[in-house]
Amino acid sequence: DIQMTQSPSSLSASVGDSVTITCQASQDISNSLNWYQQKPGKAPKLLIYDASNLNTGVPSRFSGSGYGTDFTFTISSLQPEDIATYYCLQHINLLLTFGGGTKVEMK
Amino acid sequence: QVQLLESGGGVVRPGTSLRLSCAASGFTFSDYGVHWVRQAPGKGLQWVAVISHDGSNQYYADSVQGRFSISRDNSRNTLFLQINSLRAEDTAVYYCAKGLGSCGGSRCPLGDDWGQGTLVTVSS
Repeated sequence: DIQMTQSPSSLSASVGDSVTITCQASQDISNSLNWYQQKPGKAPKLLIYDASNLNTGVPSRFSGSGYGTDFTFTISSLQPEDIATYYCLQHINLLLTFGGGTKVEMK
Repeated sequence: QVQLLESGGGVVRPGTSLRLSCAASGFTFSDYGVHWVRQAPGKGLQWVAVISHDGSNQYYADSVQGRFSISRDNSRNTLFLQINSLRAEDTAVYYCAKGLGSCGGSRCPLGDDWGQGTLVTVSS
C-alpha cells in the first residue's frame, strides 16, 4: 500500500501569514492527490483536487502543487476561518490513503 | 443536491457485529462508486473500503480486510458496511462518501460529497 507522510502534524500562525503543508508519497502517484479541510464535528471538505486544481467555491488563497511523490499545500494569507485540520489523500489506485493530518492553529 | 445519510451506529460489545447503512439521494446512485472512511476519536481520517457502481468490485484497507464487508442495494439507493468481530480500535465515526466515477476501473477518487457520519463505540 502507498503511505502518505504529511508534515508538520501541527502549526501555529498569525492572521495574514503564509502556511505551507507537505505530503510525501511512498511511491509515484502522478498528480493523484487531493487536499481536504476538516473542522471539528464536520465532514471533510475538498479544497484541491488532482494536486493543483481549486475546487469550486474555494477561496483563491488556497493552492496546491506537486507531482510524483512530493506535494505542497499553501494558504497564502491565513484567515481565522481557516483554523482546521488539513489532510492529503492519494487516489492513484483503488486503495486510498490519507496523510496523518495537519492541525492549523492561530497564534 | 447530493445527500448521504449514515445510520446504524451505536454502542456495541467487543466481538459482536454491526451493519451500517448509508442512504443516498440527489444523484443516480447506480452510476457511482461509494466509499467508507472512518475517524477514531481525536485521530485522523482512515479510508476503509470502496465498492464499484454495480457492486461487482470491492476493495478494503489491509487493517479491515476479512472483518469488514461493503455492499450496496441500488434498488434502494443504499450502501452498507458489515463489521464483524468488533474491536475497541473500530471505535470511530464512519462516513460514507461518493466517488467521482463508477469505480469499475483502476481508480476511484473521492470528491466533496460526504455524509455527516455515524458513531460506532465498541465497549464492554
